[in-house]
Amino acid sequence: QKEVEQNSGPLSVPEGAIASLNCTYSDRGSQSFFWYRQYSGKSPELIMSIYSNGDKEDGRFTAQLNKASQYVSLLIRDSQPSDSATYLCAVPGFSGGYNKLIFGAGTRLAVHP
Amino acid sequence: DGGITQSPKYLFRKEGQNVTLSCEQNLNHDAMYWYRQDPGQGLRLIYYSQIVNDFQKGDIAEGYSVSREKKESFPLTVTSAQKNPTAFYLCASSSRAGGDNYGYTFGSGTRLTVV
Repeated sequence: QKEVEQNSGPLSVPEGAIASLNCTYSDRGSQSFFWYRQYSGKSPELIMSIYSNGDKEDGRFTAQLNKASQYVSLLIRDSQPSDSATYLCAVPGFSGGYNKLIFGAGTRLAVHP
Repeated sequence: DGGITQSPKYLFRKEGQNVTLSCEQNLNHDAMYWYRQDPGQGLRLIYYSQIVNDFQKGDIAEGYSVSREKKESFPLTVTSAQKNPTAFYLCASSSRAGGDNYGYTFGSGTRLTVV
């Protein structure tokens, strides 16, 4: 089992819809969780972080965390074509002998007009 | 404004040549990282450093070397031993090792192409 798993997509949603991106992780001890957005040819940009069970809202973005089920999700309301990007989930973990952020492979989101 | 600066943005390497990618941060972060990203692929860790004068190999360190002589700087050298260096290289930093609480901040990347 991969340490952080995401559906690679592409996830295609119409403009104005809700996009739902999911991520599962294997380390039950993880305490903080991050979502990055990466436009094609650009570097990842941190858009959300969440530390407690439940929902955290920031504008059109909502992060949801369920530690018991070991998943974290990102909802994007009123999706816009400018939201089209790859979304990376990241979870701190201990792997290969050191602490690091473990990234999922990313989910590609396509918002069509 | 604080941030991470990577240079150059584009780099071309001839066969058998060593090249060095620059990464400088003014965030006062202790930990710095180098990742490689191939088209359509995720991030793969090359090297990381928790403090000055200390660094560790990541998952794909072969053919690469680094130094950490200053807190602000973490240059990556792609040596001739790296047989397939064409990729997008990303430098990142965090306030402490592992990126707990605040995650990583990324530079804008260097795109390396073998010619």
